[in-house]
Amino acid sequence: GAGVSQTPSNKVTEKGKYVELRCDPISGHTALYWYRQSLGQGPEFLIYFQGTGAADDSGLPNDRFFAVRPEGSVSTLKIQRTERGDSAVYLCASSQTSGGLTDTQYFGPGTRLTVL
Amino acid sequence: GNSVTQMEGPVTLSEEAFLTINCTYTATGYPSLFWYVQYPGEGLQLLLKATKADDKGSNKGFEATYRKETTSFHLEKGSVQVSDSAVYFCALYLPSGGSYIPTFGRGTSLIVHP
Repeated sequence: GAGVSQTPSNKVTEKGKYVELRCDPISGHTALYWYRQSLGQGPEFLIYFQGTGAADDSGLPNDRFFAVRPEGSVSTLKIQRTERGDSAVYLCASSQTSGGLTDTQYFGPGTRLTVL
Repeated sequence: GNSVTQMEGPVTLSEEAFLTINCTYTATGYPSLFWYVQYPGEGLQLLLKATKADDKGSNKGFEATYRKETTSFHLEKGSVQVSDSAVYFCALYLPSGGSYIPTFGRGTSLIVHP
């Protein structure tokens, strides 16, 4: 079956612009996670959704970052007034139910964001 | 705060060599420990996990034992193959807001030569 997909695979933008990154989780997965992976680093947690609601957004670095999941499936990560330091690979993962330890997270291939 | 430290790569081995990738952690509470693998051009995949002290996780010939006394979760494989070439990430999970949120290490690149 289809895995987690993310679009676009690459996004180049200019400093100060607004960007949206999309994640399509595995069908039926209720939990969805966003991570940011800077060059040479491991993924860093940003936000976790359970259904339509953000259950934990403690990883969002500042108020320029926002994510939504209006119908409990597709999610969009939105970044306002992009800065060069936002350049990274943004990863999405989904899992079947509640995000417990027995619930495997399936990762998408990521969106590489470059802010010039 | 919570953190995961992995040995720096790249680790370069010949096929059939023994592999160890070191991982140590610092955590408040009692974490669960995971290893993920990222093959070239693909997303992260769960490799193995251990949820309590002295547990051993294993998969595809890889093993790691949760050592609470040394706060370690070293990844081992007895005989690596070229197809094992990938980046390996150690991660700890602690409960947060009804779920378990991971803290990842920075990854260790493994290159296996024929």
